[in-house]
Amino acid sequence: QVQLVQSGAEVKKPGASVKISCKSSGYTFTSHYLQWVRQAPRQGLEWMGRMDPGGGSTTYAQKFEGRVTMTRDLSTNTFYIELRSLRSDDTAVYFCARDRGYYTDYGDFDFWGQGTLVTVSS
Amino acid sequence: DIQMTQSPSSLSASVGDRVTITCRTSQNIRNYLSWYQQKPGKAPKLLIYVASTLQSGVPSRFSGSGSGTDFSLTIISLQPEDFATYHCQQTFTTPRTFGQGTKLEIK
Repeated sequence: QVQLVQSGAEVKKPGASVKISCKSSGYTFTSHYLQWVRQAPRQGLEWMGRMDPGGGSTTYAQKFEGRVTMTRDLSTNTFYIELRSLRSDDTAVYFCARDRGYYTDYGDFDFWGQGTLVTVSS
Repeated sequence: DIQMTQSPSSLSASVGDRVTITCRTSQNIRNYLSWYQQKPGKAPKLLIYVASTLQSGVPSRFSGSGSGTDFSLTIISLQPEDFATYHCQQTFTTPRTFGQGTKLEIK
């Protein structure tokens, strides 16, 4: 069965970086785009960007350009997101999610990781 | 960016009721709209995509409609497990954007 398992909660100081992992299983790693979405406390969902795991290309939301990097490791079927220059308003639960499309980006997400809480506090 | 406006932001209903949640977009997105259900402390779950197609495994009491800029999610005969927060999302273009959510509570 399809699973996305994320790394554990992180506490960071302002200005630091955080790197979250998302290990996939149960499907062909390169067949589905991988998306990252975050949710601040008591807020809505915010799309951060996507990766095509086949070629490695990425698209980031403009809000995060220059501060975010999405990567993947083909040998371990794991995705990563790194967010730099953290601020208090980056405190949120970060989700990885598999795109529903098969070798294409439909833009909606049929399987999700369990979420990783990142707390930014001095 | 495409702005998404859901209404209401919260809603109280009883088991067995029929409820409708609406989502309005700031520009025409044809039928590129999805709906998710999210329970506290959990990841969202895809319910409906391209406005009206039910995701596999989702009960038929859920339905979606609309096109252009106005969309709705309807749940008939509410069940206890349906009390959750619902989000709409446009898949027409990037950045993908979501509504602010509608919290469905038990009356």
